[in-house]
Amino acid sequence: DTEVTQTPKHLVMGMTNKKSLKCEQHMGHRAMYWYKQKAKKPPELMFVYSYEKLSINESVPSRFSPECPNSSLLNLHLHALQPEDSALYLCASSQEADSDYGYTFGSGTRLTVV
Amino acid sequence: QKEVEQNSGPLSVPEGAIASLNCTYSDRGSQSFFWYRQYSGKSPELIMSIYSNGDKEDGRFTAQLNKASQYVSLLIRDSQPSDSATYLCAVIPVTGTYKYIFGTGTRLKVLA
Repeated sequence: DTEVTQTPKHLVMGMTNKKSLKCEQHMGHRAMYWYKQKAKKPPELMFVYSYEKLSINESVPSRFSPECPNSSLLNLHLHALQPEDSALYLCASSQEADSDYGYTFGSGTRLTVV
Repeated sequence: QKEVEQNSGPLSVPEGAIASLNCTYSDRGSQSFFWYRQYSGKSPELIMSIYSNGDKEDGRFTAQLNKASQYVSLLIRDSQPSDSATYLCAVIPVTGTYKYIFGTGTRLKVLA
């Protein structure tokens, strides 16, 4: 299995809703990442997990809450989002965090906040 | 401020031609360099990585790295309409960090 699987593919949520994004990989990668990408912009790093521990939080607002229940699974919990949070949310994984390996990206979740 | 710069394009080339995509970076200590292809509305896909000066070939793709001049390029030979996408250059500035720095991407259009 050489894929990173993200669900759901599309999500529309109101500003008072709570929802979660899910990411799963079975490649034995020990680093997992959340990125946010707006249209015609490069991906922006949000969080890095290394060996299931949060290593980097890029000053992301607390309405985004990551969770890594095990080495294969990464969640992003969403609460009280704003319309400007609408974007493509990408999960990625790599063999190790502090290494030169490239990333495998999931297909993303297209989030719309209304 | 560490930066990675790319011409946003669009770069238009005829089918069968060589497409040349360029990327410059500001941190002279950068160690690792990657090219990702991203189709519209899709996620980035790793197509090449390069770590040493010189050329690295993989099928129709050749990555070129010149650390002295701080640039990395991607050549696509025999360009096909299916190569039309945005190409993102990514740099790891210092070994042992977790973070890519992405360029803004170059949009490539291959004209049939």
